[in-house]
Amino acid sequence: QVQLQESGPGLVKPSGTLSLTCAVSGGSISSNNWWGWVRQPPGKGLEFIGEIYHSLSPNYSPSLKSRVTISVDRSKNEFSLKLTSVTAADTAVYYCVRVISYGRFFDYWGQGTPVTVSS
Amino acid sequence: QSALTQPASVSGSPGQSITISCTGTSSDVGKYNLVSWYQQHPGKAPKLVIYEVSQRPSGISSRFSASKSDNTASLTISGLQSEDEAEYFCCSYAGSTTLFGGGTKVTVL
Repeated sequence: QVQLQESGPGLVKPSGTLSLTCAVSGGSISSNNWWGWVRQPPGKGLEFIGEIYHSLSPNYSPSLKSRVTISVDRSKNEFSLKLTSVTAADTAVYYCVRVISYGRFFDYWGQGTPVTVSS
Repeated sequence: QSALTQPASVSGSPGQSITISCTGTSSDVGKYNLVSWYQQHPGKAPKLVIYEVSQRPSGISSRFSASKSDNTASLTISGLQSEDEAEYFCCSYAGSTTLFGGGTKVTVL
């Protein structure tokens, strides 16, 4: 049973960089799956941020592409999200997910970590 | 690309059936058979209930069914139960990205 666990600061200053890590257990990050991030602003819907496959270039949402970097650390079996130049609009619960590439769906989700952008 | 369109809320009595619609375009829902649905209870992470338009993951009740016609996907919950009260999100591959609907709050009366 794959388990995902997000970690990182819960508070980020405006114009700063949001950095989160997702630890994968119960499976290898080098398996035949993509790994990604989804966020949910307070009281709002879900938004796809991006995804990465261990040996390919990541895919990012066009609306966030200029500010997002997703990377994999195979030695630690984890992947990370960096979002630069954050504003209050980036305040959300951030989920890491496993992406089933052939079906384009998210079958495992982390519990989510809330991030607030505020000075 | 814009988010997919879902009704804000749908309600039904226990035992009844309800249907949630999810409207996209010919570039997402209409183009790919890659629609999925997620159930989210308050304060919890979303849970996959349907993938590839109409497939149920292991462990998901057969009361959940789904289909697609042209640019609109639909999720039906039959024999509505109290534990079905939650928010439901549709999701579709859109070529260069993945889109979600705004969510539908299902209330069991």
